[in-house]
Amino acid sequence: SQKIEQNSEALNIQEGKTATLTCNYTNYSPAYLQWYRQDPGRGPVFLLLIRENEKEKRKERLKVTFDTTLKQSLFHITASQPADSATYLCALSGYALNFGKGTSLLVTP
Amino acid sequence: DAGVTQSPTHLIKTRGQQVTLRCSPKSGHDTVSWYQQALGQGPQFIFQYYEEEERQRGNFPDRFSGHQFPNYSSELNVNALLLGDSALYLCASSPEGTDSMNTEAFFGQGTRLTVV
Repeated sequence: SQKIEQNSEALNIQEGKTATLTCNYTNYSPAYLQWYRQDPGRGPVFLLLIRENEKEKRKERLKVTFDTTLKQSLFHITASQPADSATYLCALSGYALNFGKGTSLLVTP
Repeated sequence: DAGVTQSPTHLIKTRGQQVTLRCSPKSGHDTVSWYQQALGQGPQFIFQYYEEEERQRGNFPDRFSGHQFPNYSSELNVNALLLGDSALYLCASSPEGTDSMNTEAFFGQGTRLTVV
């Protein structure tokens, strides 16, 4: 069955550092992969979409890579800020979004 | 633009009862999807509505049903509530005629359902 795995442990980093979150998947060949941010008690908010023929996508301090051979996506936040603290969800695109459990990121001053 | 709005924001129901949750999609969007998010988990796809028809369905029992109205708003109904149905229910909308593959989904703030 299809499986999506994100960092199981919460990620704690210091302000100004780069946060790197991992999304691995099995038994799946998505054409698209999306990343969302979710704050406690709120709905997910779209951040980035990357296509299978794109290796890397950037938006401001965010960067996503997509390696279809490794079946892995990496999500980077550079120059992290306390306001970046949230849960980040990886979603594979089919007729609906197939989400991982998410990784909790805490950025401390 | 109000974005995706859901009501109510919180709800407490008793086992065996029935519940109806409501969603108004973002202006210009005609496709509505519903997700269930248990605590500590990612959202799980329930079903998707387009042109007032259920277009796709996830692995949820028939106790979960829905409806889409001509104005594209949607309802999620859950019958015979179980304790395990306690979760955040999210509605997401996307633009005309697109599927979820290559476009961002806009989510509402969710309805927190507690079954006691």
